[in-house]
Amino acid sequence: KQEVTQIPAALSVPEGENLVLNCSFTDSAIYNLQWFRQDPGKGLTSLLLIQSSQREQTSGRLNASLDKSSGRSTLYIAASQPGDSATYLCAVSLTGANNLFFGTGTRLTVIP
Amino acid sequence: SQTIHQWPATLVQPVGSPLSLECTVEGTSNPNLYWYRQAAGRGLQLLFYSVGIGQISSEVPQNLSASRPQDRQFILSSKKLLLSDSGFYLCAWNRGSGGDGDIQYFGAGTRLSVL
Repeated sequence: KQEVTQIPAALSVPEGENLVLNCSFTDSAIYNLQWFRQDPGKGLTSLLLIQSSQREQTSGRLNASLDKSSGRSTLYIAASQPGDSATYLCAVSLTGANNLFFGTGTRLTVIP
Repeated sequence: SQTIHQWPATLVQPVGSPLSLECTVEGTSNPNLYWYRQAAGRGLQLLFYSVGIGQISSEVPQNLSASRPQDRQFILSSKKLLLSDSGFYLCAWNRGSGGDGDIQYFGAGTRLSVL
């Protein structure tokens, strides 16, 4: 069974700092990996999707990398802003993206 | 553009009562539809998914059921709620077929408290 772990569980950084969130998964035979953002009490917003054949994806200040063989992904956030404060979730799919296995998330606080 | 609606936003129900949560998607046809639950302190868990009308797949045995009576409507139900059914329920959709079609888009969620 696929297990997804995110470390750290919580992170506080001063505004403007670059930061890295980590995600690891136990079964390297993934179909894709997605990073989501969740604001308190809200639904999830998709940030980046990386196909299993890709090594990284970029969107604005966000860069996600994937190392399938080692079962790891990182989400890099450049020049963090208070508006980046949220819980960040990674999720992997084994086949056809019909079943996403989620980590428990990293709660990020960016301090003005 | 596509939008996804979930209701109600918040629900408080007594143990043993029935449940019906509804999710609808607008602006697309034949979407894949998903129900997830997020229990306190735990990650999201996929409960059901559907690739078409009347086609429901269940990922975990539980007290809940799902139905898809129309192309863009997905309903989560229970005949008798348990305390353990409390949680944050999220509906999601995607187009499927690979690439960006795999990106899942989520509704705002329903917070269910069973007392």
